[in-house]
Amino acid sequence: LAKTTQPISMDSYEGQEVNITCSHNNIATNDYITWYQQFPSQGPRFIIQGYKTKVTNEVASLFIPADRKSSTLSLPRVSLSDTAVYYCLVGDDPYNTDKLIFGTGTRLQVFP
Amino acid sequence: EPEVTQTPSHQVTQMGQEVILRCVPISNHLYFYWYRQILGQKVEFLVSFYNNEISEKSEIFDDQFSVERPDGSNFTLKIRSTKLEDSAMYFCASSEGRGERTSTDTQYFGPGTRLTVL
Repeated sequence: LAKTTQPISMDSYEGQEVNITCSHNNIATNDYITWYQQFPSQGPRFIIQGYKTKVTNEVASLFIPADRKSSTLSLPRVSLSDTAVYYCLVGDDPYNTDKLIFGTGTRLQVFP
Repeated sequence: EPEVTQTPSHQVTQMGQEVILRCVPISNHLYFYWYRQILGQKVEFLVSFYNNEISEKSEIFDDQFSVERPDGSNFTLKIRSTKLEDSAMYFCASSEGRGERTSTDTQYFGPGTRLTVL
């Protein structure tokens, strides 16, 4: 199992860059790393996914070192609306990736 | 942008009653899922469904649970005899599915149904 470890919580202020690091020491060769965001009483929302190096979209960047044992989600210039729980997920089983296994995630609180 | 929808948004029921939670996945998606989240806890996988049959289920998904795709658009979760501990948010998700299943298949979640069992 590719278990993930993330900080339980982080605080930031509006306009700052936030970096959330996730460790996944047992990641399998063909596993991708995916990040989801969840607001209270809403379903998780896909943010970004990557395999190695760097991926960027309109919402975030994902940095993955060569050994792929960790990844960092970077949120540029956060706003109050980025207050949410952020989950890092990797494939539970490289031959059966139907299910997503959510951890406890990182609760990001953005202050004005 | 296409989205997964769920009804009702909130369902209150008495213990022992049957409930059916409904979902309309994104129209061209082939894989469907149910997850639940007990208040303050993790999102937990319940079941995945493909080609009109269950492809995987968790230990939570016991004989009290069933899923069905009754027509071309709806995907339902039935709990036959609800228990107090079934109180949770239930999320439906769907994914496009590709020829070979890979971990690149993004799942899109609905807004959830809050089930309260009294």
